[in-house]
Amino acid sequence: KQEVTQIPAALSVPEGENLVLNCSFTDSAIYNLQWFRQDPGKGLTSLLLIQSSQREQTSGRLNASLDKSSGRSTLYIAASQPGDSATYLCAVRRNNNDMRFGAGTRLTVKP
Amino acid sequence: GAVVSQHPSRVICKSGTSVKIECRSLDFQATTMFWYRQFPKQSLMLMATSNEGSKATYEQGVEKDKFLINHASLTLSTLTVTSAHPEDSSFYICSAPHRQGSGNTIYFGEGSWLTVV
Repeated sequence: KQEVTQIPAALSVPEGENLVLNCSFTDSAIYNLQWFRQDPGKGLTSLLLIQSSQREQTSGRLNASLDKSSGRSTLYIAASQPGDSATYLCAVRRNNNDMRFGAGTRLTVKP
Repeated sequence: GAVVSQHPSRVICKSGTSVKIECRSLDFQATTMFWYRQFPKQSLMLMATSNEGSKATYEQGVEKDKFLINHASLTLSTLTVTSAHPEDSSFYICSAPHRQGSGNTIYFGEGSWLTVV
């Protein structure tokens, strides 16, 4: 059974800092891995999607890496801003299209 | 582009009543849809896989008689929470895969917030 773990559970940083969120999964037979953002009381916003054959994806200040063999992914956020404050979810997609989510990292960026 | 729409986005119901949540795939057909539940400050957990024209597949621990899933058409799946209790208050979200080229993309609905009072 696929289990997804995210560390840390919560993170508070001053504005401008670079930070790394970690995600690990137990079964390396994945279709892809996706990072989402969830604001309080809202749905999911897709940030980055990494296919199983890829090693990283970048979008603006965000960079996500994938090491499938070791079951790890990281989300790097450069020059953090207060608007980045949210919960970040890592999700692993299996070949049958369902997704397994981590518990998330609650990020607070202080002005 | 492909979109998945959920309705209602927020609903309040009384204990003991039933409430229906709809998940629609717009501009594409989805023979399979997925229903997730998220309790406060917890992650999304897969509840069931909705299959068009056949019974849904429920994850372990999810009561199929309480969470009725119907996938009557290729664009609509419904989740009915029967005899709702306050502990059923949660965020419910659906997703649907859309075949594009040699692969497919998963699209999520906007989610539905259920409060049982």
